[in-house]
Amino acid sequence: AQTVTQSQPEMSVQEAETVTLSCTYDTSESDYYLFWYKQPPSRQMILVIRQEAYKQQNATENRFSVNFQKAAKSFSLKISDSQLGDAAMYFCAYAVVGGGAQKLVFGQGTRLTINP
Amino acid sequence: DAGITQSPRHKVTETGTPVTLRCHQTENHRYMYWYRQDPGHGLRLIHYSYGVKDTDKGEVSDGYSVSRSKTEDFLLTLESATSSQTSVYFCAISPGSVVAGELFFGEGSRLTVL
Repeated sequence: AQTVTQSQPEMSVQEAETVTLSCTYDTSESDYYLFWYKQPPSRQMILVIRQEAYKQQNATENRFSVNFQKAAKSFSLKISDSQLGDAAMYFCAYAVVGGGAQKLVFGQGTRLTINP
Repeated sequence: DAGITQSPRHKVTETGTPVTLRCHQTENHRYMYWYRQDPGHGLRLIHYSYGVKDTDKGEVSDGYSVSRSKTEDFLLTLESATSSQTSVYFCAISPGSVVAGELFFGEGSRLTVL
């Protein structure tokens, strides 16, 4: 079974600094997707960034980028120029490619605090 | 924003009582999911549906049942609630395709079982 592990329950960073959240996963599949979701205090789940395993280039969305290491099964999220609005719980998630139901497997989450 | 409505948003009930949570979508998406969120566990899949009357189990399905009689509605039922089912429940939807895309989530339903 696929598993996703986030080993950092909590992280904090100074406003305007850079922070990296870690995620590792375990799978025997060769083709899959990885995601980072953000959950602010409102509880709404918001997709931050998505990476397709067959693409070697790391995904980037504005201040958010990933470091995808397929051989190491590692998928970290880097947030540059941290802002107060980035404070949230962040979840790493995995989904196998194949069409149909997209049954995401989530990590435990990392709570990110932004210090002004 | 994806048109997903969960009801009720908050519920307190007693052990042994039945509880039904409702998820309603206006997107006409084929796939619907129920997840539960607990500290230290992230989100875990309870059940999902791939069409009207077509459902399947997820990772933590024991103690839960689901029904989907219309494309837009997906019900999660706890036949006899237990304290271990105290959680935040999220409904999600997806159109389904050959590539994995984004799941769109509802705002969650907080259930407390006393």
